[in-house]
Amino acid sequence: RKEVEQDPGPFNVPEGATVAFNCTYSNSASQSFFWYRQDCRKEPKLLMSVYSSGNEDGRFTAQLNRASQYISLLIRDSKLSDSATYLCVVRGDDYKLSFGAGTTVTVRA
Amino acid sequence: NAGVTQTPKFRVLKTGQSMTLLCAQDMNHEYMYWYRQDPGMGLRLIHYSVGEGTTAKGEVPDGYNVSRLKKQNFLLGLESAAPSQTSVYFCASTPETGYYGYTFGSGTRLTVV
Repeated sequence: RKEVEQDPGPFNVPEGATVAFNCTYSNSASQSFFWYRQDCRKEPKLLMSVYSSGNEDGRFTAQLNRASQYISLLIRDSKLSDSATYLCVVRGDDYKLSFGAGTTVTVRA
Repeated sequence: NAGVTQTPKFRVLKTGQSMTLLCAQDMNHEYMYWYRQDPGMGLRLIHYSVGEGTTAKGEVPDGYNVSRLKKQNFLLGLESAAPSQTSVYFCASTPETGYYGYTFGSGTRLTVV
């Protein structure tokens, strides 16, 4: 079983729509959680950290459920520029990151 | 304000050739990592370093060697390249705490023919 699993999508949504997707992780001792964004053929860039109480950053909302070991990301009022692959990332207690394979989101005009 | 710099950006190797990928960071980060990314696989950790002079194996270390002689540099070597090593390689670094995620280089696209 992969350490981090994501629905690969693609999620194809119109501008202004809300889109949400999850990932699950297998290591219950995981310490930190992140969402990264990766544009085609570019390096991953940190979108936001995910805190236990849930957190927002503008149009993005992240939730963590430790009991069920899943993380979610919700994007409100989608923009064309939100089109990307979103990577769910989990850090163990050894400072190593484990990456999901990514969820592809395409926002259409 | 360079962050993490990887060289080269692109390379084509013949099977059996060797090469070294260089990762340099100017943020005084303790931890450095080499990942490879293949379609549908996500990023997989090859080797990592928790400080100058230290290295450790990651998830997929076979066929690669690394060195961290200086804190700011982390080198990834392929001694005898194989087509299975065709991939995009990313270097990343983080401060010791690692709580704020990693900073990635722009990647090296390697093709082995």
